[in-house]
Amino acid sequence: SAVISQKPSRDICQRGTSLTIQCQVDSQVTMMFWYRQQPGQSLTLIATANQGSEATYESGFVIDKFPISRPNLTFSTLTVSNMSPEDSSIYLCSVSGGKAEGTEAFFGQGTRLTVV
Amino acid sequence: GENVEQHPSTLSVQEGDSAVIKCTYSDSASNYFPWYKQELGKRPQLIIDIRSNVGEKKDQRIAVTLNKTAKHFSLHITETQPEDSAVYFCAASKGTNAGKSTFGDGTTLTVKP
Repeated sequence: SAVISQKPSRDICQRGTSLTIQCQVDSQVTMMFWYRQQPGQSLTLIATANQGSEATYESGFVIDKFPISRPNLTFSTLTVSNMSPEDSSIYLCSVSGGKAEGTEAFFGQGTRLTVV
Repeated sequence: GENVEQHPSTLSVQEGDSAVIKCTYSDSASNYFPWYKQELGKRPQLIIDIRSNVGEKKDQRIAVTLNKTAKHFSLHITETQPEDSAVYFCAASKGTNAGKSTFGDGTTLTVKP
């Protein structure tokens, strides 16, 4: 399977600031996604990161709060903007559609964000 | 949109027993159903998946069954071991976007030695 690296692995941030999370894959993949996993809960899809165009957001998530970039087939960033304690969560990138993965999806190790 | 319900939320079994986790989905267009295992502090790991053109799939001690008519699918783990203890998530997706999934709420499985 693809090797997926997320940075940072964890961070503690002040409310009102922004944090950008990076997701790097070691091979080209068709699809990249961003999920949120609140403590002790399930995974919720934030958006699909589209290469070369605006991300597609799920209901309840907006571009102003979670801007996403995907400049190529191996890299994406998610920014959590104007953070509040409610944004404390684990953010995970997911990829599918690579040569090795076929259509299965795999996850990065996650970024544990704490907002104080 | 899709809605996935997962039961039970917690499951405790004795080592060597079997464990069964069940999920139902609402969107009849969903055609790909992965199961993930997540250990504490780690990423979800795909353990088995099934597509809608198959009724059952097995991989060693793990099997998944799918009933398209009833819109439910189940994970079966036989001969459980303490290292099977984790949170298990079912998910459903459609088309070729396997990464665009709706997840169940998770089942915390504890295998007692």
